[in-house]
Amino acid sequence: GDSVTQMEGPVTLSEEAFLTINCTYTATGYPSLFWYVQYPGEGLQLLLKATKADDKGSNKGFEATYRKETTSFHLEKGSVQVSDSAVYFCALSDRGGSNYKLTFGKGTLLTVNP
Amino acid sequence: EAQVTQNPRYLITVTGKKLTVTCSQNMNHEYMSWYRQDPGLGLRQIYYSMNVEVTDKGDVPEGYKVSRKEKRNFPLILESPSPNQTSLYFCASRPGTTSSYEQYFGPGTRLTVT
Repeated sequence: GDSVTQMEGPVTLSEEAFLTINCTYTATGYPSLFWYVQYPGEGLQLLLKATKADDKGSNKGFEATYRKETTSFHLEKGSVQVSDSAVYFCALSDRGGSNYKLTFGKGTLLTVNP
Repeated sequence: EAQVTQNPRYLITVTGKKLTVTCSQNMNHEYMSWYRQDPGLGLRQIYYSMNVEVTDKGDVPEGYKVSRKEKRNFPLILESPSPNQTSLYFCASRPGTTSSYEQYFGPGTRLTVT
């Protein structure tokens, strides 16, 4: 079945540092890929998405490129801020029959210190 | 404002006492789904619904029931809760067409079963 593997962390960075969170996936079809973010005490929000190979999703300074050849969707940001502290989830949606289930990685806790 | 709402946000109950967690969306979405989030496991799908009166099991349906009598509502029912159902629960919805659409998540319900 489908699966997502992401670096589990926790990841601790200083403000303005470069961020990479690795994500690789296994899917039988042609999935759409997502990064969701969960701020402390809140629900999940979509951060960015890519729907086909070589697409680049971007939002709030974060970027991720859909790499079919390496089955990866790594999240990057050039300069993190304290406000980026959150849990980040990589996910895929590969329609199996009638279910648009999201398959999630286990999440990566990011803490950014001033 | 487009949103998914859940009630209650926090619930502490005892083993065996039936409870219902409500979920409602105002975006006229066909597809709705329930997930549970547990530390180190990420989010896992419990049940989903493609439309009114159409529901099916996700990956971890044991101990849960759902119903979809109206398009906007998708309650999660625990008829005899047990301590292993202590978790953070999220309801989600999306348009019921292609896999590229994002899912919109509610704020979460933290359930503790003693």
